[in-house]
Amino acid sequence: GEDVEQSLFLSVREGDSSVINCTYTDSSSTYLYWYKQEPGAGLQLLTYIFSNMDMKQDQRLTVLLNKKDKHLSLRIADTQTGDSAIYFCAESIRYSSASKIIFGSGTRLSIRP
Amino acid sequence: NAGVTQTPKFRVLKTGQSMTLLCAQDMNHEYMYWYRQDPGMGLRLIHYSVGEGTTAKGEVPDGYNVSRLKKQNFLLGLESAAPSQTSVYFCASSYPGQRSDEQYFGPGTRLTVT
Repeated sequence: GEDVEQSLFLSVREGDSSVINCTYTDSSSTYLYWYKQEPGAGLQLLTYIFSNMDMKQDQRLTVLLNKKDKHLSLRIADTQTGDSAIYFCAESIRYSSASKIIFGSGTRLSIRP
Repeated sequence: NAGVTQTPKFRVLKTGQSMTLLCAQDMNHEYMYWYRQDPGMGLRLIHYSVGEGTTAKGEVPDGYNVSRLKKQNFLLGLESAAPSQTSVYFCASSYPGQRSDEQYFGPGTRLTVT
């Protein structure tokens, strides 16, 4: 079946690194994503990784993919108050004429001073 | 470029009432989607469309209907609203063959059914 799981909450101190973890079940995924949702807003794509890669770095963001364990993580270096949001892990699965995105339940990241 | 817009932003309905949520995109995207977001459950796909005049069921289609008469618009209808349909509804669109299969999301419609 298709399932994406992530923990619901994470609290980190400002300036520390945040690591948000996610596991997925479908090994046929083509892309894996991290979306960010700020309060009262829609989802915004933060970063993505193609399924044949194992790491992607983009400024303060590092995505690690372990295909064998079906584990995806997002590391945010030097976490700031503006990083407070809900982070959704998602995988894209190609089927028939469209791709289907399966979302995790979201991890709420809160920053403490 | 407005991207993906949704109308209305908020709505309160009584059980049994009907309403239509409108999604519009100005990016000439072929694919459009309707999701609902409930606490602790992430986003679940209700219906989607791969082109003008075509629609298909997603994961949780019961109680909803959709139409895609124009490429840029995707309508979600509730014929007889139920309290279980209280949720935040997100529309998204995407372009086939795009490098990352990225979906672009609207700001959401918060619906409460009493």
